[in-house]
Amino acid sequence: EAGVAQSPRYKIIEKRQSVAFWCNPISGHATLYWYQQILGQGPKLLIQFQNNGVVDDSQLPKDRFSAERLKGVDSTLKIQPAKLEDSAVYLCASSGASTTGELFFGEGSRLTVL
Amino acid sequence: KNEVEQSPQNLTAQEGEFITINCSYSVGISALHWLQQHPGGGIVSLFMLSSGKKKHGRLIATINIQEKHSSLHITASHPRDSAVYICAVRGGADGLTFGKGTHLIIQP
Repeated sequence: EAGVAQSPRYKIIEKRQSVAFWCNPISGHATLYWYQQILGQGPKLLIQFQNNGVVDDSQLPKDRFSAERLKGVDSTLKIQPAKLEDSAVYLCASSGASTTGELFFGEGSRLTVL
Repeated sequence: KNEVEQSPQNLTAQEGEFITINCSYSVGISALHWLQQHPGGGIVSLFMLSSGKKKHGRLIATINIQEKHSSLHITASHPRDSAVYICAVRGGADGLTFGKGTHLIIQP
């Protein structure tokens, strides 16, 4: 079974530039999450999708971050414009059920903002 | 909002030792996950618990719903167990709330 795919693995940009991350969840998984993990901290939920609908985006900085999952399969997370404090690993995870399903994580996309 | 506390934050032990990592949370949950993260690597789900105890190889996870507490045990620890172990809890349909992780180093 293929796992959660993320790209790019690494990205270095200058502040005020934009960046986009892509995630393809495990086939058939309805729930998709984007997490931000700053070095030394646990992951923080940015947004949760159930199919193509948003379940929770309360911690997403909507002035600069956006995410979509138009067809209920793969998803993109965009940051525009980036700030220094956005340097982190962006993790995508998926599960087959929103409350009872086991989570499967991608390898993450490491962003460095200079 | 659930508060998740893990202890210890850092743990260094010798190969073969029995390891215990603790997780406490403040609000009732529907499930608790133990996750493993190697340096530079992605996160792997070790266990998902809603009650009782689960065992997988040398890893054992327990949860006490009344006390809002879970433990992850590693028997006969090995250097390859060195990683960050993260506790994450789910309440209802919410996304997960993560602990800050326990940095475990097993020395040969």
